[in-house]
Amino acid sequence: DQQVKQNSPSLSVQEGRISILNCDYTNSMFDYFLWYKKYPAEGPTFLISISSIKDKNEDGRFTVFLNKSAKHLSLHIVPSQPGDSAVYFCAASESQAGTALIFGKGTTLSVSS
Amino acid sequence: ETGVTQSPTHLIKTRGQQVTLRCSSQSGHNTVSWYQQALGQGPQFIFQYYREEENGRGNFPPRFSGLQFPNYSSELNVNALELDDSALYLCASSMKDAVGEAFFGQGTRLTVV
Repeated sequence: DQQVKQNSPSLSVQEGRISILNCDYTNSMFDYFLWYKKYPAEGPTFLISISSIKDKNEDGRFTVFLNKSAKHLSLHIVPSQPGDSAVYFCAASESQAGTALIFGKGTTLSVSS
Repeated sequence: ETGVTQSPTHLIKTRGQQVTLRCSSQSGHNTVSWYQQALGQGPQFIFQYYREEENGRGNFPPRFSGLQFPNYSSELNVNALELDDSALYLCASSMKDAVGEAFFGQGTRLTVV
């Protein structure tokens, strides 16, 4: 049973617009959430994270929102750029000091110019 | 550049054979985690090694085993290969209790025929 779900396999956005990637989780023990970006033939690269004590974390064009009651998080990219085209994975852990990351299946973002 | 290197990058094996994948961790990191990413799926946690001991394991059978060496590099061994073992195998290095600060290698693409 998938504990981290990314229900949209793909998303297409125009350059300059906002990209919103969504992620849902089922395990109430998850306390720390991360987003990774993956280009073909490369390993996942850390993008941004959020602890459950916060509901928002921002880093430049990237903002992650966490809604604990809904067990939902989202990644906003504003403005989107063609170089953002990649597979985005949502991941969760039971703590920032945890051992394992539990990943979703990923969402492929395509940003067209 | 993350500093995590994996070898080989691609590998083809026959069902029933054994395989060894290698990972050199980033300088200063003492913990190595291995993940399996099947086609269309997110990475799945196999196990983690710290100070040459297994420090957590996901839902993988015993034919998946690992080693960590004094220089913190690591090996993943898979015995009695099955067709479903075909996947991208990712290594991630970090400090212990810092799962959110893991750096991933580019992966080894294993094909079992």
